[in-house]
Amino acid sequence: NAGVMQNPRHLVRRRGQEARLRCSPMKGHSHVYWYRQLPEEGLKFMVYLQKENIIDESGMPKERFSAEFPKEGPSILRIQQVVRGDSAAYFCASSPGQGTDTQYFGPGTRLTVL
Amino acid sequence: GQNIDQPTEMTATEGAIVQINCTYQTSGFNGLFWYQQHAGEAPTFLSYNVLDGLEEKGRFSSFLSRSKGYSYLLLKELQMKDSASYLCAVRDGASKIIFGSGTRLSIRP
Repeated sequence: NAGVMQNPRHLVRRRGQEARLRCSPMKGHSHVYWYRQLPEEGLKFMVYLQKENIIDESGMPKERFSAEFPKEGPSILRIQQVVRGDSAAYFCASSPGQGTDTQYFGPGTRLTVL
Repeated sequence: GQNIDQPTEMTATEGAIVQINCTYQTSGFNGLFWYQQHAGEAPTFLSYNVLDGLEEKGRFSSFLSRSKGYSYLLLKELQMKDSASYLCAVRDGASKIIFGSGTRLSIRP
């Protein structure tokens, strides 16, 4: 049973470009969570999604950031017009069902904005 | 407000025991997690406590006191590979998990 998959593992963008981060949950998991981790800091919750629904986006910046989890395919975290402050590791986690289940993390995508 | 406090760094000796403390203040409480994170890698799940008391799993144990807003992670028979950051996290509500900044544990021979 493959774990949570994220790609790309490393992404370099110039200021003003768009970044698309993908997450495929573990087989049988229908709940996806996105977190951001700045260097030497803890993980910060961004958004919680189920298939075709955003359940909790209280941690998402109001502008430039969006997330989706379509019926088919991976979850996508999209950052438009990236700025240097967006440079961070973005982790995706998945859980099998109810929000109270343990979350299992993917390897992360390290975004560097030049 | 929401706050999770844990020491920034700790050092311990191979073969010894170390206890990493965590205190929390959150608007809701629906369980406490400990994760291990090696540098440059994803967090891996260690333990989950929702009721008061001690949960033991091999060399690792986790304790929770909800009335005190307090937890600790106990690591026994330390090995060099245990050098990592240990993240305390609280589930606030149905899904949102709030993480502490992590404790960087260094093991010396």
